[in-house]
Amino acid sequence: EVQLVESGGGLVKPGGSLRLSCTASGLTLSAYTMNWVRQAPGRGLAWVSSISPGSSYKYYPDSLRGRFTISRDDAKNSMYLLMNSLRADDTAVYYCARSYDFWTTSVYYAMDVWGQGTTVTVSS
Amino acid sequence: DIQMTQSPSSLSASVGDRVTITCRASRSISSHLNWYQQKPGKAPKLLIYAASSLRSGVPSRFSGSGFGTDFTLSISSLQSEDFATYYCQQSSATPETFGQGTKVEIK
Repeated sequence: EVQLVESGGGLVKPGGSLRLSCTASGLTLSAYTMNWVRQAPGRGLAWVSSISPGSSYKYYPDSLRGRFTISRDDAKNSMYLLMNSLRADDTAVYYCARSYDFWTTSVYYAMDVWGQGTTVTVSS
Repeated sequence: DIQMTQSPSSLSASVGDRVTITCRASRSISSHLNWYQQKPGKAPKLLIYAASSLRSGVPSRFSGSGFGTDFTLSISSLQSEDFATYYCQQSSATPETFGQGTKVEIK
């Protein structure tokens, strides 16, 4: 069974740090761009970060650049998100997701495999 | 950043109804538009990619259309398992932005 499993969430005080992990089973992550997407309580989905195969490219929204760091360890079939200087508005469920290349008339990318999510709560 | 605007934010419908959700991009994204379904407490599930291509295993009552800036997701005959929140997402440019979601509720 193809599966992504996130871990590392929890309760952290404002200003603290947390490292999330995403481990795959039934699929090999190394060939794919991988993503973190979060969802604050009662809110919609928000893309957090992406990392290309071989870690050549790492992307962040301007609002998170400098606080969050994405990485991957293909030998462990895993991806990570290091979150520093956490704030209350970082409270969310964090999902990892694989970007897959769908070929029709051209190549199109979509997140086709998702983990179940890990909850991060930032509160004093 | 490309802004994605969905409408309506929520709708009430009955089993068997045809439902249409729209998504508008702030600039042209060609066909780089995906649709996801999310049920409470669950991860999103990919339904449609490239604006109109149905992902394998997704029921044929779901369909997508559009190009450029205006897109639609249609459900031809709503089933009980379709009550969920639906999100569009553009994959044309980073950041890959999502719409705010459309919650489909039981009338």
